[in-house]
Amino acid sequence: SQQGEEDPQALSIQEGENATMNCSYKTSINNLQWYRQNSGRGLVHLILIRSNEREKHSGRLRVTLDTSKKSSSLLITASRAADTASYFCATDAGYNQGGKLIFGQGTELSVKP
Amino acid sequence: NAGVTQTPKFRVLKTGQSMTLLCAQDMNHEYMYWYRQDPGMGLRLIHYSVGEGTTAKGEVPDGYNVSRLKKQNFLLGLESAAPSQTSVYFCASSPLRVEIYEQYFGPGTRLTVT
Repeated sequence: SQQGEEDPQALSIQEGENATMNCSYKTSINNLQWYRQNSGRGLVHLILIRSNEREKHSGRLRVTLDTSKKSSSLLITASRAADTASYFCATDAGYNQGGKLIFGQGTELSVKP
Repeated sequence: NAGVTQTPKFRVLKTGQSMTLLCAQDMNHEYMYWYRQDPGMGLRLIHYSVGEGTTAKGEVPDGYNVSRLKKQNFLLGLESAAPSQTSVYFCASSPLRVEIYEQYFGPGTRLTVT
């Protein structure tokens, strides 16, 4: 079963605009991660936010986490055509679970030049 | 470092045939994982390993077997391929940490079963 549900499933914006993707999950977590997948490639880790953190930044990425609502958002500011990719949230399955992650279904982002 | 590599990149099988997918990592990671990715389904965990000689079932293990004889390698086997196993397969690895850490992914193997 999928832990995370992402919204929207697809997003199309113009270069320079901001892109916001949301992720909801069902059970308590220790951390939440975001990954990017370019077409035909493997996933690449973007950022990790711990359950005791509310916001985290990395370059043009801003992630928020609301554990009371079991939701997270990923904001990409000043988007570029190179940001076109699918973005996945992933939550941990808990300690002593072999480091397993549970992935959402992803948001497909298209940034038009 | 090459990171995580997967062999082969593409494969076409006929129903009932068998094959083995090889995953190798050169980062000395303890944990390794096999996922499948299908349209609209995200990634689903097939099997995983927390160390050399150990394996465990994930979310969708039926029809697959795995082995981790060496720390750097994780093999995924299909004994009798079925069309439902047409998918893109990803291997990933992660280090052993107290906290759960990021996973490093290979480039994927696209498998078609006819």
